[in-house]
Amino acid sequence: GENVEQHPSTLSVQEGDSAVIKCTYSDSASNYFPWYKQELGKGPQLIIDIRSNVGEKKDQRIAVTLNKTAKHFSLHITETQPEDSAVYFCAASDSGGGADGLTFGKGTHLIIQP
Amino acid sequence: NAGVTQTPKFQVLKTGQSMTLQCAQDMNHNSMYWYRQDPGMGLRLIYYSASEGTTDKGEVPNGYNVSRLNKREFSLRLESAAPSQTSVYFCASSVTRDYEQYFGPGTRLTVT
Repeated sequence: GENVEQHPSTLSVQEGDSAVIKCTYSDSASNYFPWYKQELGKGPQLIIDIRSNVGEKKDQRIAVTLNKTAKHFSLHITETQPEDSAVYFCAASDSGGGADGLTFGKGTHLIIQP
Repeated sequence: NAGVTQTPKFQVLKTGQSMTLQCAQDMNHNSMYWYRQDPGMGLRLIYYSASEGTTDKGEVPNGYNVSRLNKREFSLRLESAAPSQTSVYFCASSVTRDYEQYFGPGTRLTVT
């Protein structure tokens, strides 16, 4: 089955700086890669996703890049703000015949220092 | 439009007791999922339902059963709770696979 590794587990950055979270996956058949943000006491919420036919996607201060050859994808947050503090999860999904659910990384606790 | 709702929000069980976690969505989604979240483990898929009338095992199905009651509702049952099932349980739904999954607020379960 799919295995998703996520690094770092904790990331502390100064407000206004950029943050980068990296994930690798093992199943070359995976073709859908969402990123979720989870605030304390709440369920995860999608912030951005990318499919394997696209190398990069951007939405305001958030961007995701995908390298299919190396089997890794990254989340980039620019001009970080206090409300960006949360736990972020990457995930991968195989629509070619594997389980319908997502395989998640173990999460990155992003801390924005004022 | 409430999205995905889960009941109860909190539950404490004794070892060996049974209970059912309820989940409902009002977005007319075909696919529904149950995940558990443990510290440092991320979210792991327990069971999923690709469409009404179908269910399949995920990564960690042992000790659980599910029912897709209709298109809106997907329940998770613990027949004989064990301390290892102490976790936060999330239900999610999506139009179909490989589309955005919408998560409920979670059920925090403690088994003593």
